[in-house]
Amino acid sequence: SQTIHQWPATLVQPVGSPLSLECTVEGTSNPNLYWYRQAAGRGLQLLFYSVGIGQISSEVPQNLSASRPQDRQFILSSKKLLLSDSGFYLCAWRTGQVMFFGSGTQLSVL
Amino acid sequence: GESVGLHLPTLSVQEGDNSIINCAYSNSASDYFIWYKQESGKGPQFIIDIRSNMDKRQGQRVTVLLNKTVKHLSLQIAATQPGDSAVYFCAENPPGQNFVFGPGTRLSVLP
Repeated sequence: SQTIHQWPATLVQPVGSPLSLECTVEGTSNPNLYWYRQAAGRGLQLLFYSVGIGQISSEVPQNLSASRPQDRQFILSSKKLLLSDSGFYLCAWRTGQVMFFGSGTQLSVL
Repeated sequence: GESVGLHLPTLSVQEGDNSIINCAYSNSASDYFIWYKQESGKGPQFIIDIRSNMDKRQGQRVTVLLNKTVKHLSLQIAATQPGDSAVYFCAENPPGQNFVFGPGTRLSVLP
């Protein structure tokens, strides 16, 4: 069966520090992969999506970047975090119609 | 859907009663819809989906109704339990595009 792993679960980082969040999917090949951000009480904001290795589409210009070095690995990065980068980050995957989410990373930038 | 910021719409129901959560979607071309349940601090969990060629689909204790005429989706939960307390949100998928997610409704189950 397919599973998605996302880590860490929580992260507290100072302003100006780098960021790397990792997501891996098991049990499926060539999935579409997604990074979303969810602010408290708000809907999901699509940040990046990827339909294949090295293929990244950015939905919102900002302080973040994404990479897909392997078929089932998706990484969200930042060189210098801003206070406004705080939020709940979710990785998701999709091979057919249904989209499944990881457990999320609560990022607090202080 | 429009976000309501920190103040999500809240539905409070008595344990054992039925719950109905509503969602208005925006794109009349959307042909696939999903309801998700999200507990505090966790990722959204798939509940049930429906394609636009259907107007009703049933799962275990849950039913999704689709009214394409008014672009409305609802989730019915039978015999609501304390474990059903969570934020529920819908997602619509226009053909060839990414999902669009609603802001959600908080379901609170009263003992």
